[in-house]
Amino acid sequence: QVQLVQSGAEVKKPGSSVKVSCKASGDIFSNYGISWVRQAPGQGLEWMGNFIPIFGTSSYAQRFQGRVTITADESTSTAYLDLSSLISDDTAVYYCAREVYGAHLDHWGQGTLVTVSS
Amino acid sequence: QSALTQTASVSGSPGQSITISCTGTSSDVGFYTLVSWYQHHPGKAPKLMIYEVSKRPSGVSNRFSGSKSGNTASLTISGLQAEDEADYYCCSYAGSSTFVFGGGTKLTVL
Repeated sequence: QVQLVQSGAEVKKPGSSVKVSCKASGDIFSNYGISWVRQAPGQGLEWMGNFIPIFGTSSYAQRFQGRVTITADESTSTAYLDLSSLISDDTAVYYCAREVYGAHLDHWGQGTLVTVSS
Repeated sequence: QSALTQTASVSGSPGQSITISCTGTSSDVGFYTLVSWYQHHPGKAPKLMIYEVSKRPSGVSNRFSGSKSGNTASLTISGLQAEDEADYYCCSYAGSSTFVFGGGTKLTVL
């Protein structure tokens, strides 16, 4: 059974960074990737980027290039989203999801609320 | 990577059918048969409803169906039920290991 469990809510100051974790159980890292998707208040879902373990590579949406880093520790089956230079518009619920490579996101974490406020 | 275009809202009565459209470009929806649809109830995790344009994951009702023509994909929900009320998002593979979501459609069951 696939489960993705994310770290708890965070409150951050503008200009700082946040690191959200996503611990996976079940078949994830051997055959799948991990994508990160966010939803700001009143907005839609937005794909941020992914990590594909079999290639050891990350890809990012253009608008987050240079500000986001997605990594994974396969020994602990945990993926990480690191977002830097936070602004208030980064206030959102961040989701990790198991990615069937290049196709779709079939299992999702419970979401992590990140609030950016001075 | 511009967001795919979805109608902001749609409504229908119980038992009716509705269709949600999702328009992209020849670089995403029009190029790949890798369109997926997600149901999102507020406060919960999104749920995969359709993948690869028209395939249903195990456990998803056959009242949900998907199709694609050119740069536009569609999700049809037949026999509307109260629990179908949610936000629906399309998503397409966009090349180079990236994805793009639609802006979302709010479905109201009257």
